[in-house]
Amino acid sequence: AQSVTQLGSHVSVSEGALVLLRCNYSSSVPPYLFWYVQYPNQGLQLLLKYTTGATLVKGINGFEAEFKKSETSFHLTKPSAHMSDAAEYFCAVSSLAGGYQKVTFGIGTKLQVIP
Amino acid sequence: DGGITQSPKYLFRKEGQNVTLSCEQNLNHDAMYWYRQDPGQGLRLIYYSQIVNDFQKGDIAEGYSVSREKKESFPLTVTSAQKNPTAFYLCASSRGSTLSYEQYFGPGTRLTVT
Repeated sequence: AQSVTQLGSHVSVSEGALVLLRCNYSSSVPPYLFWYVQYPNQGLQLLLKYTTGATLVKGINGFEAEFKKSETSFHLTKPSAHMSDAAEYFCAVSSLAGGYQKVTFGIGTKLQVIP
Repeated sequence: DGGITQSPKYLFRKEGQNVTLSCEQNLNHDAMYWYRQDPGQGLRLIYYSQIVNDFQKGDIAEGYSVSREKKESFPLTVTSAQKNPTAFYLCASSRGSTLSYEQYFGPGTRLTVT
């Protein structure tokens, strides 16, 4: 079964500092990986996704993630944190289960940005 | 603007009552999903539907029911059999079952049962 592990349920960074949110996946086949962001009391919004091809994926709001097969990782980064980045971030993996697309989400990482 | 609407945003019910959460999409997506979100547990799949008049149980379907009579609509009923129904419920849709397709989410309904 596919799974994702997000290390650190809470991460705090100073405004302007590097953001690094960690995600490791478990998959027996080439994975399809996603990062979503959720602002308080809202739904999830896609930040970026990895399907095939280039391993460095750029997303919205200046975020990017690198797929590293040897490390089974898909960490999310942003060079300089903004106050507006404070939110919860979910890593997810897509797999086929019973003929349908099943997306398995990590438990989420809450990002706090300190002014 | 295309998107997913969920209503109401906040819902309060007494224990023992069934309650139905609405989910409508105008994205012309085939697949629709219901998730439950609890603090520290990520999202857990309740039900999913790939086409009209067809739906399948997810990981935590007990105490819930759904229908898919129209492509645009996928309502979720939380029955009195659900032991701990207080949670944030998210509806999502995708173009289909291709693994690379992302899911689009509604704004959620926060259900409180007392």
